[in-house]
Parts: sequence; structure tokens; C-alpha cells
Amino acid sequence: GEDVEQSLFLSVREGDSSVINCTYTDSSSTYLYWYKQEPGAGLQLLTYIFSNMDMKQDQRLTVLLNKKDKHLSLRIADTQTGDSAIYFCADQFDQAGTALIFGKGTTLSVSS
Amino acid sequence: GAVVSQHPSRVICKSGTSVKIECRSLDFQATTMFWYRQFPKKSLMLMATSNEGSKATYEQGVEKDKFLINHASLTLSTLTVTSAHPEDSSFYICSARATDRAAEAFFGQGTRLTVV
Repeated sequence: GEDVEQSLFLSVREGDSSVINCTYTDSSSTYLYWYKQEPGAGLQLLTYIFSNMDMKQDQRLTVLLNKKDKHLSLRIADTQTGDSAIYFCADQFDQAGTALIFGKGTTLSVSS
Repeated sequence: GAVVSQHPSRVICKSGTSVKIECRSLDFQATTMFWYRQFPKKSLMLMATSNEGSKATYEQGVEKDKFLINHASLTLSTLTVTSAHPEDSSFYICSARATDRAAEAFFGQGTRLTVV
């Protein structure tokens, strides 16, 4: 079945850029997502990218998609302590009514 | 972004009792809602897909008689954990997708269920 892999931990200093990487196996992916989860909370949709795009930028967030290598990354510029959270990469292979396949999440720790 | 409200955020119940969790899309209509379960330090596991006006589709290994799902309207889906046991203790999260914005899936804030 489909699989989404992420590194489990990332530690950065405040002000640096963070890059969280994700790989997926489904070549039929339509959309790929990044979600943020703070302790004890639900998931906040950060951004998503359509599979025919290479890059999407939204303020401090930059998503890069390498469809050939099935690699997705999320870059957070000028990382702040408030960015500390778990970041989930998710994959959707069908636009209509299917659930997302999630990675295990990357815990981002930002030190001041 | 669109708002999905989940209630309650925390619940403690005794073994053998049933607990109902509500998931509402507040500012959009959702023909499809999803229920996930998240174990500590684990990813989200899809439990079932809930379609308005029809029976839910359960993932393999999820007991449909134990986890009852009702999607009675375009803005409300409920998950009832019946005859709860301590191993049902978990974080349950719902997700809804707007009918006119199918690319975006929004999540509720989650429900922490503790069965004692």
C-alpha cells in the first residue's frame, strides 16, 4: 500500500531555516500536504501542493516537490520558537472523498 | 481556513460505558468526513470514512459495531465508542472536506478519550 516516510526529529536554532523532508511511494498522488500539530491539539493545515507543481511559497513556508524522486520538503524560514511542533506530511491520491495517508511526523524543536 | 469543531476535547469514562464524539464543520458543508485515531508518538490511523446519508466505510481491523459512525447531515458526523475498554483510550481526530474545496482537508482539535 501507499507509504509516507519522514525523519522523526529536527532541531534548529531560532532564526535559522528548517527543512523537513518527506518521501512517498504513491505515483498517483494528486495533492501533498503539510500539517502542524501542537501538543494535545488537532492538525492545522499549513499548506498543500498540487502534484503538477514544483514549488509553492506562502510567507515563511516553501514547499518543494520532486515528483520524479517522490520527495517533498517543507522549508520554514526564520524559524521561531512558536514553530516547535510536530509536522506531518500527507499524501492524497484521489481528489474525491479519499482520506489522507500520513507520515509519522517530524518533531521540530526550536531553541533560542 | 475552514473550521472543524470537535466535541468534547477530553472525556473520561468508565469501562463498559459508551462515549459519543461530535465533529462539526462550522462554515462549510462536508459530504465526507474522516475519523482517525492517533496513538502516542505515532501517526494518524484512518478508522473510517463517513459519507452523509450512507453507511460509513471502515478500515480493515476497525470494528464497526464498536465504533459507530453516523453522518446525519452535511455538517455533523458522530463517532460513538461503545462498551469502551481501557485499550480504547486514545486521541481521536476527525477531518472534513468541503464539497467545493475538495483539495483541502481540515481537522478538528481532537478528543482525548481515557477509559478507566
